[in-house]
Amino acid sequence: DAGITQSPRHKVTETGTPVTLRCHQTENHRYMYWYRQDPGHGLRLIHYSYGVKDTDKGEVSDGYSVSRSKTEDFLLTLESATSSQTSVYFCAIKQGIADTQYFGPGTRLTVL
Amino acid sequence: AQSVTQLGSHVSVSEGALVLLRCNYSSSVPPYLFWYVQYPNQGLQLLLKYTSAATLVKGINDFEAEFKKSETSFHLTKPSAHMSDAAEYFCAVRAYTQGGSEKLVFGKGTKLTVNP
Repeated sequence: DAGITQSPRHKVTETGTPVTLRCHQTENHRYMYWYRQDPGHGLRLIHYSYGVKDTDKGEVSDGYSVSRSKTEDFLLTLESATSSQTSVYFCAIKQGIADTQYFGPGTRLTVL
Repeated sequence: AQSVTQLGSHVSVSEGALVLLRCNYSSSVPPYLFWYVQYPNQGLQLLLKYTSAATLVKGINDFEAEFKKSETSFHLTKPSAHMSDAAEYFCAVRAYTQGGSEKLVFGKGTKLTVNP
């Protein structure tokens, strides 16, 4: 257990509304990641952070933004949600031998 | 660029039978390879990882994987399947973002069904 929590765990929203997902960690890890999981695609990196206020894009970043104002929280924002953003979102941290990534429990987001 | 291919999106075995889940990788640098398991409605849990030490890697729940450079493979095995092994399994390789930070590139997953 790498001390990662995600909130909310489930959310249903409507197209065009903004949505913010939160990832919280308690062990002072520098690196944090947001992935989305879709059937037949595995997990794909959306954004990542390598420190407070230091973030960068992954391969599926369009329509998403992130912020990290303190070490323990990494926020993912869908500025105007679309149905294609219906997915399960996972947060991860990197730690330990071989910089292994450990994952949070996920947030299931449905955009109607 | 690093990539992973998992052969077989669905694998079905009988309880007590050998489990073999296939993963082939592509990497321009010596790879770090990982297997994760995802039980229904849960997050990903690390099963095992290869980090250029021993080529036969043992993980949790009696799973193991062998790194074969000549075959660019990292197949996951378990001698005897249990009902509790039913889950989705993901192979991943360490890669780098354009900014030079590390990330994981995942295969599309293999769903394992264990029949009584």
